[in-house]
Parts: sequence; C-alpha cells; structure tokens
Amino acid sequence: GESVGLHLPTLSVQEGDNSIINCAYSNSASDYFIWYKQESGKGPQFIIDIRSNMDKRQGQRVTVLLNKTVKHLSLQIAATQPGDSAVYFCAENPNTDKLIFGTGTRLQVFP
Amino acid sequence: DVKVTQSSRYLVKRTGEKVFLECVQDMDHENMFWYRQDPGLGLRLIYFSYDVKMKEKGDIPEGYSVSREKKERFSLILESASTNQTSMYLCASSLSYLMNTEAFFGQGTRLTVV
Repeated sequence: GESVGLHLPTLSVQEGDNSIINCAYSNSASDYFIWYKQESGKGPQFIIDIRSNMDKRQGQRVTVLLNKTVKHLSLQIAATQPGDSAVYFCAENPNTDKLIFGTGTRLQVFP
Repeated sequence: DVKVTQSSRYLVKRTGEKVFLECVQDMDHENMFWYRQDPGLGLRLIYFSYDVKMKEKGDIPEGYSVSREKKERFSLILESASTNQTSMYLCASSLSYLMNTEAFFGQGTRLTVV
C-alpha cells in the first residue's frame, strides 16, 4: 500500500462535517500558495491556490485562508465526503523558481 | 487536461544498476521537476529544468542526474542505484518560469532498490 501517509499528523472527521487543515509556511517573502490533495497511489492534484494580495479564496466546497501576519494557511472543506480522504499538502513559492512543500496532513473521513 | 505521464508505476532494481525514470508532459510547459517523496519528509526537489538542455539542482541532487533533450520529456537518472534511493519519485511540470502557476504531477514511480 501507499506509505506516504505514515508518520503524518492526522485529522479524523465525520462525513458531512467541515474539515480544517492547517499549514504554517516558512518564508515571509512567499507570494503564492497552493493546496494539493494526494490520494493513495496517485500523484498530488491541485485543489486551490491563493496569491499574497488576497486573504481568502473560495472554490467548490473548499476555501483557502491566508494570514500573512502569522504565516499561516488553512484549507477548509465543507461537508466532508469519503472521497476527500487523502493526504493534503500546502506549498509556497518564496518568489523563486520552485515550490516548497509542507510535509502533509492526512484526512480520514469516517461514516 | 494537462497530462504528466511517468513511464513506470513500480520498479525494482539492484544496487549498482543505472536507472532511468522517464517523464513526458503534453502541455508545452516550460518547467519540469523531479521530486522524491518519503514518509515524514514530504516532497523534496531533486532537479528541475526551465528549458530544453537547461537544468538546475534542487535540494537533494546527490546521486542523481537529469536530461532534457526535448521540451516535453524530462528524465531522471540514478547513475548507480543504492538502497537509500528507494522512494516514490514524482515528476511535475508547470507553465511559468517563476512557478507562479500550479504544478501538475504525474502518478509517481515507486522505486525499490534491493
């Protein structure tokens, strides 16, 4: 099976509840942030992004919040579904030519 | 839809073998990247390329090399595979040189070196 989820912080939520996944980023110069979802056995998939001139951005069932003061990023998933079970990564671009990824949070959805 | 395709899902190689991991993208992206992913360490950048025949070292280039002879193809080479290179390898591509656009990932290659 997929071992990428071992040793990760885990968030367990009940189906239908809202989920909040948090990420602390490292570089105050970062101006672009992305959330990725990685399901078992697959590569990361883009969920939503936000630029540093915004505090909030909404997608379909997902919202990303950016707090530049404390260098904190969060992903909110509304009405969490079993298909949302995955490892979620935040990534930041510190105004260079590459992304820096967090280590990830595993989201487990139970009925 | 952007497609990033890695040539193998699973590979098993012997210590000392030369290993090639291939990646192809179909969206004419400038940038391509190779990461490895290990439990508890997240994604670590090995090498990236922002143009044909151009390459830049990432955070952990030791023991690896890359080749980008065509824009759509980016190869990762393990010159002499070692057991500590057992990992999940992920290829990605993106449009913008400054990475201010999302990166699209392949499905990953799980390499085991025995």
